[in-house]
Amino acid sequence: SQQGEEDPQALSIQEGENATMNCSYKTSINNLQWYRQNSGRGLVHLILIRSNEREKHSGRLRVTLDTSKKSSSLLITASRAADTASYFCATDKSYNTDKLIFGTGTRLQVFP
Amino acid sequence: EAGVAQSPRYKIIEKRQSVAFWCNPISGHATLYWYQQILGQGPKLLIQFQNNGVVDDSQLPKDRFSAERLKGVDSTLKIQPAKLEDSAVYLCASNPEANTGGLFFGEGSRLTVL
Repeated sequence: SQQGEEDPQALSIQEGENATMNCSYKTSINNLQWYRQNSGRGLVHLILIRSNEREKHSGRLRVTLDTSKKSSSLLITASRAADTASYFCATDKSYNTDKLIFGTGTRLQVFP
Repeated sequence: EAGVAQSPRYKIIEKRQSVAFWCNPISGHATLYWYQQILGQGPKLLIQFQNNGVVDDSQLPKDRFSAERLKGVDSTLKIQPAKLEDSAVYLCASNPEANTGGLFFGEGSRLTVL
């Protein structure tokens, strides 16, 4: 079963614009992670946010977490064509990254 | 540092045939995972190993799927007999013990069952 649901399912933007993806989940978690998957490739870890954190930054990425609403968002600022990929949130109940349950993903297309 | 290696990258078989996938995790990573990713969906955990022991195989269809991790290093995932609905990408991931970061994924093995 899938824990997370991403919204929107697909997103198309122009280079330079910001892209925001949302993830909702059902049960309590210890941490939430975001991954990127280029077409035909494996997943690449982007960022991890713990349940006691509200916001985290990494380069052009900003992740927020609202445990009261059981939701998270991933913001990619100043998007580039190379950001075109599918983005997945994954939740983990344990402190040590252990067993992840992935969401359904958002397909992002960035046009040059 | 070498990444997670998987083979073959692509496999096409007829239904009821068997297939095996191989994964070599990053050196020293104690935990190894097999995920199934059906087209358009997120990865679903099939089995998790800690060294050479199974931690979780609750979502592995044991009537047709089997996996082993002998010697606690590389792993094989076998499907026998394959069904049409097994068409998917099989992703292997690894994780050092007590990691507090993300998983490291291989490129995946794409299976098409005709």
